[in-house]
Amino acid sequence: AQKVTQAQTEISVVEKEDVTLDCVYETRDTTYYLFWYKQPPSGELVFLIRRNSFDEQNEISGRYSWNFQKSTSSFNFTITASQVVDSAVYFCALSEAGWHQTGANNLFFGTGTRLTVIP
Amino acid sequence: GAVVSQHPSRVICKSGTSVKIECRSLDFQATTMFWYRQFPKQSLMLMATSNEGSKATYEQGVEKDKFLINHASLTLSTLTVTSAHPEDSSFYICSARVRTVYNEQFFGPGTRLTVL
Repeated sequence: AQKVTQAQTEISVVEKEDVTLDCVYETRDTTYYLFWYKQPPSGELVFLIRRNSFDEQNEISGRYSWNFQKSTSSFNFTITASQVVDSAVYFCALSEAGWHQTGANNLFFGTGTRLTVIP
Repeated sequence: GAVVSQHPSRVICKSGTSVKIECRSLDFQATTMFWYRQFPKQSLMLMATSNEGSKATYEQGVEKDKFLINHASLTLSTLTVTSAHPEDSSFYICSARVRTVYNEQFFGPGTRLTVL
């Protein structure tokens, strides 16, 4: 069964500090995809990144970076030099590979981490 | 590309009335759409899977007679909350799935329902 765990429910940092959001997942699939979404106070989910299970290269995009470690089933997200605009709830999600014709949902969300950046 | 819209974005209604929420994929066809519900400070909870031309598949504990889902076309799915009660107040989010190697879901902006 698929499961995504985000152990940190809430984190507060002071502006310009670095912060890492943890994500641990469980799956029996050998091929899967991992996602991070940002949900600001407006509510709309903002897609941040998708990572394939067979690509363990870390990725950096501006102040954002992601560390994917298959050995520990983790996909952690780091924000460098945090800003107030980074305040949001961040969700990690796992997607199964393959096409499900009907019925089955393929996206499993963690419970989210609420990040507050204090000016 | 891959834009999903929801309408309305916010609705306030009296207890006992029915509310319809529309989810549209604007620039692609989606054979499958999903409806999620999110209570304050909680994660997204999948309510149902909507497949074009067939009945929706509801998750355990979701009342299908209360949350009516219609997927009339490849670009439109609707969720109707019938006889709404204050406990139905929540944030409802739809997503549309694209048939790609990633099976990505693209999310709508959400609808905030408040039942008085």
